Amino acid sequence: QKEVEQNSGPLSVPEGAIASLNCTYSDRVSQSFFWYRQYSGKSPELIMSIYSNGDKEDGRFTAQLNKASQYVSLLIRDSQPSDSATYLCAVKDLNTGNQFYFGTGTSLTVIP
Amino acid sequence: GAGVSQSPRYKVTKRGQDVALRCDPISGHVSLYWYRQALGQGPEFLTYFNYEAQQDKSGLPNDRFSAERPEGSISTLTIQRTEQRDSAMYRCASSLARTANEQFFGPGTRLTVL
Repeated sequence: QKEVEQNSGPLSVPEGAIASLNCTYSDRVSQSFFWYRQYSGKSPELIMSIYSNGDKEDGRFTAQLNKASQYVSLLIRDSQPSDSATYLCAVKDLNTGNQFYFGTGTSLTVIP
Repeated sequence: GAGVSQSPRYKVTKRGQDVALRCDPISGHVSLYWYRQALGQGPEFLTYFNYEAQQDKSGLPNDRFSAERPEGSISTLTIQRTEQRDSAMYRCASSLARTANEQFFGPGTRLTVL
């Protein structure tokens, strides 16, 4: 299985600040990258996907991908207490199949 | 519309017993995935199907684990001769197409092996 690594945290930021979540992966052929949010006791839900190098913005969320460095990040601007959750990084490689490989997740707490 | 459903939601069994976990994907979804998630960890890939064909079972921990999706819809993950280390949350996810990137997760089955 692919290695997908994340800082386990916990990461705490004050309300309104920028939260930065990082992920590295081991396989250079990985093609698709995803960020999932998982609230405590709930199932993961997709919040961002990114396939090309650079930045992708969606509301308060920005995903950044650098394939040469095998690095993907998620920035959450104007963090809200409702953003408190575990954020999971996932990679997918269409060359070897359609399976998704997840990191261990980073726990984020936004302090009001 | 209905999302992915899993049953049972909770299963407590004694070591050595067989268990069958069921997943009912979103109607029309081609791909179905099984994951195992330990507390504080991300989902660990077990196996997946496109329609009724099992595409990859490399994530199944050992030969006590098996899965099927005989009609390309409902899937069953079976664990034979359960062991305490099998205790975990088992999650199912489905996606609309083979190359679709969004997976929709079910609520999971919490398995406890005593």
